Amino acid sequence: ETGVTQSPTHLIKTRGQQVTLRCSSQSGHNTVSWYQQALGQGPQFIFQYYREEENGRGNFPPRFSGLQFPNYSSELNVNALELDDSALYLCASSSPQATGQETQYFGPGTRLLVL
Amino acid sequence: SQQGEEDPQALSIQEGENATMNCSYKTSINNLQWYRQNSGRGLVHLILIRSNEREKHSGRLRVTLDTSKKSSSLLITASRAADTASYFCATEGGGSNYKLTFGKGTLLTVNP
Repeated sequence: ETGVTQSPTHLIKTRGQQVTLRCSSQSGHNTVSWYQQALGQGPQFIFQYYREEENGRGNFPPRFSGLQFPNYSSELNVNALELDDSALYLCASSSPQATGQETQYFGPGTRLLVL
Repeated sequence: SQQGEEDPQALSIQEGENATMNCSYKTSINNLQWYRQNSGRGLVHLILIRSNEREKHSGRLRVTLDTSKKSSSLLITASRAADTASYFCATEGGGSNYKLTFGKGTLLTVNP
């Protein structure tokens, strides 16, 4: 167990709806990253939050947005859902090191199905 | 876009045999990491190798890194049925954040 939790575990939505996914990071970690993993693919970086500020974003449209709270938990919001948004959404928590090298600890993921 | 490409896409071996998976990447990196994923669930971190390291061991795992060829290999020795999973390499390229860029993974099946 990594100590990173995500909710819900599964979710079914219809096209055009909005969804909020949640992540609680490991104790002591101030950085949360979100990834999207389509079936049969590797995870793709959505964005990262460090101390409540966005700290880098992947090639995802603005309808993917996020928040990080003072306790370093995080939300991923997706508006105007499309069929291609169906995927496993993973969050990972970490704590930047002075060396710039760190391990990211992943939660179990939220599986989203858009119909 | 995918940075790493794992090879092979799928590997099936018998318990007790060794499994070797390869990963190639395209751009310069700070480090390369290997992760395991069981049945489409969360990723488990296995090992991190820095760009100035050539080989690293952890238990039954051995990772090599050749930055001149932009490639890495993961060797699992004396495999067990419990090693059955998908294995991903991920590169961290530095910059102001620590995003990981993953390959598509190798599906390893260890038959009892």
